Amino acid sequence: SQQGEEDPQALSIQEGENATMNCSYKTSINNLQWYRQNSGRGLVHLILIRSNEREKHSGRLRVTLDTSKKSSSLLITASRAADTASYFCATRHGNGANSKLTFGKGITLSVRP
Amino acid sequence: EAQVTQNPRYLITVTGKKLTVTCSQNMNHEYMSWYRQDPGLGLRQIYYSMNVEVTDKGDVPEGYKVSRKEKRNFPLILESPSPNQTSLYFCASSLWASGTYNEQFFGPGTRLTVL
Repeated sequence: SQQGEEDPQALSIQEGENATMNCSYKTSINNLQWYRQNSGRGLVHLILIRSNEREKHSGRLRVTLDTSKKSSSLLITASRAADTASYFCATRHGNGANSKLTFGKGITLSVRP
Repeated sequence: EAQVTQNPRYLITVTGKKLTVTCSQNMNHEYMSWYRQDPGLGLRQIYYSMNVEVTDKGDVPEGYKVSRKEKRNFPLILESPSPNQTSLYFCASSLWASGTYNEQFFGPGTRLTVL
């Protein structure tokens, strides 16, 4: 399966702490994306990192990509209770119009106030 | 406001009664897709469309149909719903640019229960 696998499945931290979530995949990718989902709602795109990039930042988010290890991590710094959500990594495989985006099963993050 | 809309948001129906879930996007995106989300299984793609009149099966297409007659609309049709199609459904769209698809924009979801 090309599906990315997130780790851990669930994470509980105190407000103000950093949250680190990992994603591993099996076959080469074009890009890797992280999405957030609040309970029962649609997914919201957070950040996209291309296969030739190693690190990207967006506000309190930092994403790294190690293509040699086929893994990525999402770091949320100075977490807030409002960051409580499920986080999904999605990997895009192949090129062009026939490329496929495959989602992992998600990580449940709870940030305690 | 740029968005993907789905209707209905909630639907309870009975086995065998045909239904359609509509999806519309106002961003002129080429790519549209339907997913279902079930506990422990994550998001699974049902069907997708790369442009008008171009549709293809995803990972779990059985029991579903789609059409793409206009760029903005991508309805999901369940001709004869069964209880195993009880799920949370999401429509998504994406822009084609610079030889690749950009991030996906998701609708708010449709929670379907088939009795």
